[in-house]
Amino acid sequence: GESVGLHLPTLSVQEGDNSIINCAYSNSASDYFIWYKQESGKGPQFIIDIRSNMDKRQGQRVTVLLNKTVKHLSLQIAATQPGDSAVYFCAARTTDSSYKLIFGSGTRLLVRP
Amino acid sequence: GAGVSQSPSNKVTEKGKDVELRCDPISGHTALYWYRQRLGQGLEFLIYFQGNSAPDKSGLPSDRFSAERTGESVSTLTIQRTQQEDSAVYLCASSLRGATPGPEQYFGPGTRLTVT
Repeated sequence: GESVGLHLPTLSVQEGDNSIINCAYSNSASDYFIWYKQESGKGPQFIIDIRSNMDKRQGQRVTVLLNKTVKHLSLQIAATQPGDSAVYFCAARTTDSSYKLIFGSGTRLLVRP
Repeated sequence: GAGVSQSPSNKVTEKGKDVELRCDPISGHTALYWYRQRLGQGLEFLIYFQGNSAPDKSGLPSDRFSAERTGESVSTLTIQRTQQEDSAVYLCASSLRGATPGPEQYFGPGTRLTVT
Protein backbone atom coordinates (compact mmCIF):
# COMPACT_ATOMS: atom_id res chain seq x y z
CA GLY A 1 0.00 0.00 0.00
CA GLU A 2 0.87 3.65 -0.01
CA SER A 3 2.18 5.58 2.92
CA VAL A 4 3.45 9.08 3.04
CA GLY A 5 5.67 10.42 5.79
CA LEU A 6 7.40 13.57 6.77
CA HIS A 7 10.84 13.83 8.27
CA LEU A 8 10.18 16.49 10.90
CA PRO A 9 7.03 17.31 12.81
CA THR A 10 8.03 20.95 13.44
CA LEU A 11 10.27 23.34 11.56
CA SER A 12 11.26 26.71 13.00
CA VAL A 13 12.77 29.31 10.69
CA GLN A 14 13.72 32.95 10.90
CA GLU A 15 11.57 35.38 8.97
CA GLY A 16 13.18 36.03 5.62
CA ASP A 17 15.02 32.73 5.49
CA ASN A 18 14.14 29.93 3.10
CA SER A 19 12.19 26.94 4.40
CA ILE A 20 12.48 23.36 3.19
CA ILE A 21 9.88 20.80 4.15
CA ASN A 22 10.51 17.20 3.18
CA CYS A 23 8.26 14.27 2.47
CA ALA A 24 8.81 10.62 1.57
CA TYR A 25 6.35 8.32 -0.15
CA SER A 26 6.38 4.56 -0.47
CA ASN A 27 4.60 3.67 -3.71
CA SER A 28 6.82 4.14 -6.74
CA ALA A 29 3.71 4.04 -8.93
CA SER A 30 2.33 7.28 -7.44
CA ASP A 31 2.12 9.72 -10.31
CA TYR A 32 0.78 12.94 -8.82
CA PHE A 33 1.68 14.87 -5.70
CA ILE A 34 0.23 17.89 -3.94
CA TRP A 35 1.38 20.19 -1.17
CA TYR A 36 -1.24 21.74 1.09
CA LYS A 37 -1.13 24.47 3.71
CA GLN A 38 -3.47 24.27 6.67
CA GLU A 39 -3.92 27.14 9.07
CA SER A 40 -5.48 26.63 12.45
CA GLY A 41 -9.23 26.06 12.27
CA LYS A 42 -9.29 25.97 8.48
CA GLY A 43 -9.38 23.36 5.80
CA PRO A 44 -6.30 22.58 3.72
CA GLN A 45 -5.41 25.01 0.98
CA PHE A 46 -3.76 23.88 -2.24
CA ILE A 47 -0.25 25.29 -2.70
CA ILE A 48 1.38 23.51 -5.60
CA ASP A 49 1.31 20.18 -7.38
CA ILE A 50 3.67 18.15 -9.51
CA ARG A 51 3.30 15.16 -11.79
CA SER A 52 5.74 12.31 -11.85
CA ASN A 53 7.04 13.24 -15.31
CA MET A 54 8.56 16.38 -13.80
CA ASP A 55 11.27 16.84 -11.20
CA LYS A 56 10.72 20.49 -10.39
CA ARG A 57 7.88 22.98 -10.46
CA GLN A 58 7.87 26.57 -9.34
CA GLY A 59 5.13 28.83 -8.13
CA GLN A 60 5.13 32.17 -6.43
CA ARG A 61 7.81 31.87 -3.70
CA VAL A 62 7.33 28.09 -3.62
CA THR A 63 9.15 25.30 -5.40
CA VAL A 64 8.42 21.59 -5.30
CA LEU A 65 11.16 19.11 -6.06
CA LEU A 66 10.47 15.47 -6.84
CA ASN A 67 13.09 12.73 -6.69
CA LYS A 68 11.48 9.56 -7.94
CA THR A 69 14.63 7.52 -7.46
CA VAL A 70 14.44 7.84 -3.70
CA LYS A 71 10.70 8.56 -3.57
CA HIS A 72 11.12 11.94 -1.96
CA LEU A 73 9.62 15.34 -2.50
CA SER A 74 10.24 18.67 -0.89
CA LEU A 75 8.57 22.04 -0.64
CA GLN A 76 10.79 25.08 -0.62
CA ILE A 77 9.42 28.42 0.51
CA ALA A 78 11.55 31.44 -0.31
CA ALA A 79 11.82 34.42 2.02
CA THR A 80 9.52 32.88 4.62
CA GLN A 81 6.99 35.28 6.07
CA PRO A 82 4.92 35.17 9.29
CA GLY A 83 1.86 34.38 7.19
CA ASP A 84 3.54 31.15 6.11
CA SER A 85 3.16 29.76 9.63
CA ALA A 86 0.91 26.73 9.28
CA VAL A 87 0.94 22.96 8.99
CA TYR A 88 2.08 21.70 5.60
CA PHE A 89 0.96 18.36 4.19
CA CYS A 90 2.16 16.43 1.22
CA ALA A 91 -0.19 14.02 -0.50
CA ALA A 92 0.34 11.39 -3.14
CA ARG A 93 -2.31 10.08 -5.48
CA THR A 94 -2.97 6.40 -5.09
CA THR A 95 -2.65 4.11 -8.04
CA ASP A 96 -6.14 2.64 -7.80
CA SER A 97 -8.11 5.81 -8.34
CA SER A 98 -7.82 9.25 -9.85
CA TYR A 99 -9.19 11.03 -6.79
CA LYS A 100 -7.83 9.28 -3.72
CA LEU A 101 -4.85 10.81 -1.98
CA ILE A 102 -2.63 9.48 0.78
CA PHE A 103 -1.67 12.31 3.11
CA GLY A 104 1.38 12.66 5.27
CA SER A 105 1.00 13.61 8.91
CA GLY A 106 2.14 17.19 8.41
CA THR A 107 4.97 19.50 9.36
CA ARG A 108 4.27 22.56 11.47
CA LEU A 109 6.20 25.57 10.20
CA LEU A 110 6.91 28.25 12.78
CA VAL A 111 8.29 31.57 11.57
CA ARG A 112 10.32 33.52 14.12
CA PRO A 113 10.15 37.33 13.78
CA GLY B 1 -18.42 34.01 -3.81
CA ALA B 2 -19.36 31.48 -1.15
CA GLY B 3 -16.99 28.65 -0.46
CA VAL B 4 -17.65 25.22 0.98
CA SER B 5 -19.50 25.49 4.26
CA GLN B 6 -19.91 22.91 6.98
CA SER B 7 -22.10 22.73 10.03
CA PRO B 8 -21.88 22.54 12.90
CA SER B 9 -18.36 23.87 13.35
CA ASN B 10 -18.08 22.02 16.64
CA LYS B 11 -20.03 19.08 17.99
CA VAL B 12 -19.67 17.44 21.37
CA THR B 13 -21.62 14.25 21.85
CA GLU B 14 -21.82 11.40 24.26
CA LYS B 15 -20.55 7.98 23.36
CA GLY B 16 -23.29 5.93 21.77
CA LYS B 17 -25.23 8.85 20.31
CA ASP B 18 -25.72 9.44 16.59
CA VAL B 19 -24.43 12.58 14.90
CA GLU B 20 -25.09 14.19 11.55
CA LEU B 21 -22.62 16.49 9.88
CA ARG B 22 -23.55 18.71 6.98
CA CYS B 23 -21.63 19.97 3.99
CA ASP B 24 -22.77 22.60 1.50
CA PRO B 25 -20.46 22.48 -1.53
CA ILE B 26 -19.77 25.32 -3.92
CA SER B 27 -22.70 25.73 -6.26
CA GLY B 28 -22.22 23.81 -9.47
CA HIS B 29 -19.51 21.53 -8.13
CA THR B 30 -20.32 18.00 -9.15
CA ALA B 31 -17.71 16.24 -7.04
CA LEU B 32 -17.82 16.09 -3.26
CA TYR B 33 -15.40 14.44 -0.86
CA TRP B 34 -15.44 13.69 2.86
CA TYR B 35 -12.23 13.27 4.85
CA ARG B 36 -11.40 12.61 8.48
CA GLN B 37 -8.46 14.29 10.19
CA ARG B 38 -7.40 13.02 13.56
CA LEU B 39 -5.39 15.29 15.83
CA GLY B 40 -1.90 15.83 14.47
CA GLN B 41 -2.53 13.65 11.45
CA GLY B 42 -3.12 14.03 7.76
CA LEU B 43 -6.44 13.54 6.05
CA GLU B 44 -8.04 10.15 5.55
CA PHE B 45 -10.36 9.68 2.58
CA LEU B 46 -13.86 8.59 3.58
CA ILE B 47 -16.25 8.88 0.64
CA TYR B 48 -16.52 10.47 -2.82
CA PHE B 49 -19.61 11.58 -4.73
CA GLN B 50 -19.52 12.44 -8.42
CA GLY B 51 -22.70 13.62 -10.04
CA ASN B 52 -25.29 10.89 -10.22
CA SER B 53 -22.78 8.06 -10.14
CA ALA B 54 -22.70 5.57 -7.28
CA PRO B 55 -20.52 7.00 -4.51
CA ASP B 56 -17.16 5.48 -3.65
CA LYS B 57 -17.60 4.47 -0.01
CA SER B 58 -14.39 2.51 0.23
CA GLY B 59 -12.88 4.82 2.85
CA LEU B 60 -15.68 4.56 5.39
CA PRO B 61 -14.09 2.91 8.44
CA SER B 62 -17.13 0.94 9.63
CA ASP B 63 -20.81 0.41 8.95
CA ARG B 64 -21.57 3.02 11.61
CA PHE B 65 -20.55 5.62 9.03
CA SER B 66 -22.79 6.59 6.14
CA ALA B 67 -23.18 9.56 3.84
CA GLU B 68 -25.80 10.86 1.50
CA ARG B 69 -25.88 13.55 -1.11
CA THR B 70 -28.95 15.21 -2.55
CA GLY B 71 -28.33 15.60 -6.26
CA GLU B 72 -25.35 17.87 -6.66
CA SER B 73 -25.94 19.88 -3.51
CA VAL B 74 -25.79 19.29 0.21
CA SER B 75 -24.27 16.18 1.72
CA THR B 76 -24.64 14.72 5.19
CA LEU B 77 -22.24 12.39 6.95
CA THR B 78 -23.88 10.32 9.68
CA ILE B 79 -22.06 8.48 12.40
CA GLN B 80 -24.17 6.10 14.43
CA ARG B 81 -23.39 4.92 17.96
CA THR B 82 -20.38 7.22 18.18
CA GLN B 83 -17.21 5.98 19.81
CA GLN B 84 -14.36 7.97 21.31
CA GLU B 85 -12.09 7.04 18.42
CA ASP B 86 -14.50 8.91 16.13
CA SER B 87 -13.27 12.17 17.65
CA ALA B 88 -11.67 14.11 14.81
CA VAL B 89 -12.20 16.96 12.41
CA TYR B 90 -14.39 15.96 9.50
CA LEU B 91 -13.59 17.88 6.34
CA CYS B 92 -15.64 18.24 3.21
CA ALA B 93 -14.34 19.36 -0.16
CA SER B 94 -15.88 19.93 -3.55
CA SER B 95 -14.62 20.40 -7.06
CA LEU B 96 -16.13 21.44 -10.33
CA ARG B 97 -15.21 18.20 -11.94
CA GLY B 98 -14.32 14.89 -10.46
CA ALA B 99 -11.10 12.96 -11.02
CA THR B 100 -7.92 14.33 -9.56
CA PRO B 101 -8.03 16.58 -6.50
CA GLY B 102 -5.76 19.55 -6.86
CA PRO B 103 -6.06 23.25 -7.53
CA GLU B 104 -9.74 22.96 -8.37
CA GLN B 105 -10.67 21.26 -5.10
CA TYR B 106 -11.85 23.49 -2.29
CA PHE B 107 -12.11 22.48 1.35
CA GLY B 108 -14.57 23.57 3.97
CA PRO B 109 -13.43 24.58 7.46
CA GLY B 110 -14.42 21.24 8.94
CA THR B 111 -16.56 20.03 11.82
CA ARG B 112 -14.68 19.22 15.00
CA LEU B 113 -16.35 16.21 16.60
CA THR B 114 -15.62 15.32 20.20
CA VAL B 115 -17.07 12.14 21.65
CA THR B 116 -17.05 12.05 25.44
